[in-house]
Amino acid sequence: EAAVTQSPRSKVAVTGGKVTLSCHQTNNHDYMYWYRQDTGHGLRLIHYSYVADSTEKGDIPDGYKASRPSQENFSLILELASLSQTAVYFCASSGRENYAEQFFGPGTRLTVL
Amino acid sequence: AQSVTQPDARVTVSEGASLQLRCKYSYFGTPYLFWYVQYPRQGLQLLLKYYPGDPVVQGVNGFEAEFSKSNSSFHLRKASVHWSDWAVYFCAVNPLMLSGSFNKLTFGAGTRLAVCP
Repeated sequence: EAAVTQSPRSKVAVTGGKVTLSCHQTNNHDYMYWYRQDTGHGLRLIHYSYVADSTEKGDIPDGYKASRPSQENFSLILELASLSQTAVYFCASSGRENYAEQFFGPGTRLTVL
Repeated sequence: AQSVTQPDARVTVSEGASLQLRCKYSYFGTPYLFWYVQYPRQGLQLLLKYYPGDPVVQGVNGFEAEFSKSNSSFHLRKASVHWSDWAVYFCAVNPLMLSGSFNKLTFGAGTRLAVCP
């Protein structure tokens, strides 16, 4: 079954530490996305990618880096984690023809202390 | 730029009752519109989608939504709610996809649906 998986599912990090969130998709999709969800807010786009070895900035890229080493894998990197980055992070993928129809992973709950 | 407003942060209905969740969008052109559902501790799943055509679209599990250009709305409906519908529902808008272009999907803040026995 086609799927988007994320690891870890939850993480506690210290302020100033480095955090890497990983995403893997078996949908054979070109597009991959990282979103952030905060309580009371919808999803906000951090970074996205439409091809391996290339990433694009979304609406809130500050403090985040992304890496797409292959079509299947997309990572989100917080070089210096901050309290304000405590949130749930979702990865998603979509096909090139219908990129608005996105398939989401289960999310990673990140707590920065 | 496009935007989405879901005016009701929380809605509570009795099991078996009808449901309407409201969504208003802002976009000057022809939008693609979506409803996504997020069940507890899960990612979002596509519930239904509107591409220009019939204004009433059917989704999974008895959900439907109606597009109104005059009201800039895309309200979600269900005739009889089940306890398993307890979830957060997100409306999303994407501009008409032009060949070779990319436009991001913009989400509303979500409506949390609670179902009472």
